[in-house]
Amino acid sequence: AAGVIQSPRHLIKEKRETATLKCYPIPRHDTVYWYQQGPGQDPQFLISFYEKMQSDKGSIPDRFSAQQFSDYHSELNMSSLELGDSALYFCASSRNWDRGYEQYFGPGTRLTVT
Amino acid sequence: AQTVTQSQPEMSVQEAETVTLSCTYDTSESDYYLFWYKQPPSRQMILVIRQEAYKQQNATENRFSVNFQKAAKSFSLKISDSQLGDAAMYFCAYSGGSNYKLTFGKGTLLTVNP
Repeated sequence: AAGVIQSPRHLIKEKRETATLKCYPIPRHDTVYWYQQGPGQDPQFLISFYEKMQSDKGSIPDRFSAQQFSDYHSELNMSSLELGDSALYFCASSRNWDRGYEQYFGPGTRLTVT
Repeated sequence: AQTVTQSQPEMSVQEAETVTLSCTYDTSESDYYLFWYKQPPSRQMILVIRQEAYKQQNATENRFSVNFQKAAKSFSLKISDSQLGDAAMYFCAYSGGSNYKLTFGKGTLLTVNP
């Protein structure tokens, strides 16, 4: 079965640089969620999209923005990177109303800011 | 706001034995879902089991079962016949409201001893 694809898997950036993370949801899934997991932490919700519209927003810095495109893939754009942005970034997808909103996670993008 | 509490930062179990991981949550919503996710050293987030709040019957998936006590807002995970591959961080998660984003507990690190 197809899974959620994230790219790149690893990313190393310097402070004040910009990063773009990409997510390709499972086919026919209409909802995408982004989570940030710091070292030794639980995942924290950042932002979500349903049918290409932003549906909810969590503790996402103003330096971050995201969107979902017509093919349902999503991108998380991070600017003016800080050391504290180093984390594992997960994308998850679900099909609204399906199986109790089960979210399927991608493998994550490990971002290191130096 | 919903909160999820896992009171056991670490647990250990002997191979082939049974272990129970605890989780409590707080919500004012009547319609919600509860999940247990497993995160092995690879850091992939793997869905273990799901429970709908409106269902009284406890969910079961092979060796994994839950004890869902809605009035007490408790959702524990029982792992039977523990295997070495069960060693991982286990996160309890809540999903509800208008968007069904996941709110995670802090996690329980499970060690399986041979």
